Amino acid sequence: QSVLTQPPSVSGAPGQRVTISCTGSFSNVGAAYGVHWYQQVPGTAPKLLVYGDNHRPSGVPDRFSASKSGTSASLAITGLQAEDEATYYCQSHDSSLSGSVFGGGTKLTVL
Amino acid sequence: QVQLVQSGAEVKKPGASVKVSCRASGFTLTDHFIHWVRQAPGQGLQWMGIINPTGGSTNYAQRLQGRLAMTRDTSTSTVYMELSSLRSEDTAVYYCAFGSGIFRDAFDIWGQGTMVTVSS
Repeated sequence: QSVLTQPPSVSGAPGQRVTISCTGSFSNVGAAYGVHWYQQVPGTAPKLLVYGDNHRPSGVPDRFSASKSGTSASLAITGLQAEDEATYYCQSHDSSLSGSVFGGGTKLTVL
Repeated sequence: QVQLVQSGAEVKKPGASVKVSCRASGFTLTDHFIHWVRQAPGQGLQWMGIINPTGGSTNYAQRLQGRLAMTRDTSTSTVYMELSSLRSEDTAVYYCAFGSGIFRDAFDIWGQGTMVTVSS
């Protein structure tokens, strides 16, 4: 299983708000390392959505936001659109493993 | 533009080795640490390791140590990932990636991926 825990799936209707959680420990999310989020559409490489806990790269809509508290982080998507249907991954550095770790991924279905 | 260009798909038998290349285009390879991430069919992302192209130092995921080797050729701006003693569980898409911003492990640049199939 993955070091970072995400729900396998979430769903929402167009226009709604959904959140995806990412739970870790004091050696990764709870440490000083940043949490990053990716969006992946089948057949393509992941796309960086959020970096450093809550910063969006240029070009990422402000409908996507993220936060972190303690050993958990979350990604929020507001004004859900059909094109948001994808799998979302969280990532951080883990000091015990001396490397990057990913969550297991959350498949978002837009109803 | 800045991109990573990977080698083509591979089919290998169990016990064999595979070497995947990742060439830097539009930037200087030695300016960035390069990571490798793999994704088995229908599964999530798994971080494999990192190479510093400047000196060639590496750090591998514990579960792959002993089977994984990352090297670089600065003359051709290329890094390589070689995985040995292949088994069926190594069937996956292999990506090289790097972070161009403040967080070097926030991967905003990805290669197109290389499918490696391990089958007898």
